[in-house]
Amino acid sequence: SAVISQKPSRDICQRGTSLTIQCQVDSQVTMMFWYRQQPGQSLTLIATANQGSEATYESGFVIDKFPISRPNLTFSTLTVSNMSPEDSSIYLCSVAGTANQPQHFGDGTRLSIL
Amino acid sequence: TQLLEQSPQFLSIQEGENLTVYCNSSSVFSSLQWYRQEPGEGPVLLVTVVTGGEVKKLKRLTFQFGDARKDSSLHITAAQPGDTGLYLCAGPRGSNYQLIWGAGTKLIIKP
Repeated sequence: SAVISQKPSRDICQRGTSLTIQCQVDSQVTMMFWYRQQPGQSLTLIATANQGSEATYESGFVIDKFPISRPNLTFSTLTVSNMSPEDSSIYLCSVAGTANQPQHFGDGTRLSIL
Repeated sequence: TQLLEQSPQFLSIQEGENLTVYCNSSSVFSSLQWYRQEPGEGPVLLVTVVTGGEVKKLKRLTFQFGDARKDSSLHITAAQPGDTGLYLCAGPRGSNYQLIWGAGTKLIIKP
C-alpha cells in the first residue's frame, strides 16, 4: 500500500494567518482527498484533489477558504486561509488508486488556532 | 442520500469482555470497509467485506456483511487494551472514489 507523508504533523497558529499542509505519496495515485476530523469523531470530506484540474469541494467548504493544489500524481497541498479558532482540527489527506478501493491515510496535521 | 449509522458511538469495557459494533444503512452498498484509528495516526484499513453474508476473521475480530448488503458488524472476542481506538465503517459513495463514513465508535479497553 501507498506510504503517505503529511507535513507539518502539528502547528499552533495565530488567527488571521494561513497554513499550508503538504501531502506526499511514494507512488502515483489517481485520487487524493482532504478531510477534517475532530478528535474522537468521524471524518468530514473537505474536497477531492484532481490532478490537472480544480479540486471538487463538498458542501460547506469553499476554495477561497481551503485552496488546494495537485501539481502531479504524488503531491497535493491544502491551505487553511484566514484561520479562526473554529478551524482548530485534525486535517488528513488520503489516497485511492481505483474506485471502490480502500483509502490510505497520512498521519494528519493537528492544527490549533489561538 | 446514502448514510451509514454506526453504533455505539462510545464503549468502555474491561479486558476480556466481548463487544459488537454495528454499521447500518437503508441503502445497499457494493462493499463496506472497517478502519481503526489510534491517536496521532490516520485510519488504517482492517478489512473490506464485499459479498452479502460474508464473514471475515482477523485474529479476535470478526466482520460480517449483511445478506442484503445494507449492514455490517464488527465483533471483538476477549478484548485487549491494544484494541483501544476509534473504529470507523465506510462505504463507497456511488461509483466514484469517495467514501461515506459512519460516525465512529470510540472503544476503550480497560486493563
